[in-house]
Amino acid sequence: EIVMTQSPATLSVSPGERATLSCRASQSVSSNLAWYQQKPGQAPRLLIYGASTRATGIPARFSGSGSGTEFTLTISSLQSEDFAVYYCQQYNNWPPGTWTFGQGTKVEIK
Amino acid sequence: EVQLVESGGGLVQPGGSLRLSCAASGFTFTSYEMNWVRQAPGKGLQWVSYISSSSSTIYYADSVKGRFPISRDNAKNSLYLHMNSLRAEDTAVYYCARRTVVMDVWGQGTTVTVSS
Repeated sequence: EIVMTQSPATLSVSPGERATLSCRASQSVSSNLAWYQQKPGQAPRLLIYGASTRATGIPARFSGSGSGTEFTLTISSLQSEDFAVYYCQQYNNWPPGTWTFGQGTKVEIK
Repeated sequence: EVQLVESGGGLVQPGGSLRLSCAASGFTFTSYEMNWVRQAPGKGLQWVSYISSSSSTIYYADSVKGRFPISRDNAKNSLYLHMNSLRAEDTAVYYCARRTVVMDVWGQGTTVTVSS
């Protein structure tokens, strides 16, 4: 099983500042990496897939980078609606039972 | 509007059964693969089951294999998860999710609580 490790567990950021979230895979997943945002009581929302492609309707302040085992989600200027938990997920292999999620990074207001 | 709406969750005793439903609208349901993903209280996301657009291919997580049959009715634009032999560790919010390259559309979830 590919283990996805996110860091930090919690990130305290002031509105308007940049946030940088990391996700590391235990083995290469090429660019088959997605990022999701989840707010309390809500479903996950797809932000990024293919490591760097924004999903439909996602603001340009969200950007993804990386390949292989190291990935980054950057939020260039945090807005109040961006405080949430962010999960990475790899989908490099088939069948779906091989897909795995990271444990999440909580972005909180500093 | 593309939408997935889950229903059928509730409180059930260990060993009991539930059937979860997911109603799809705003897109051509028959063209998409579908998944169930769950989230235990305060925990992360865990993929549970997958079904292809024609129901010809199905996969399960080891933790639910043999207990949680997945099915779909394309005429009704609906996805199902039949949950049997429920255990305390199955307590979670269950989401249905559409798959293209990734799981790009998710429902709001339905809560399953297994407790005596």
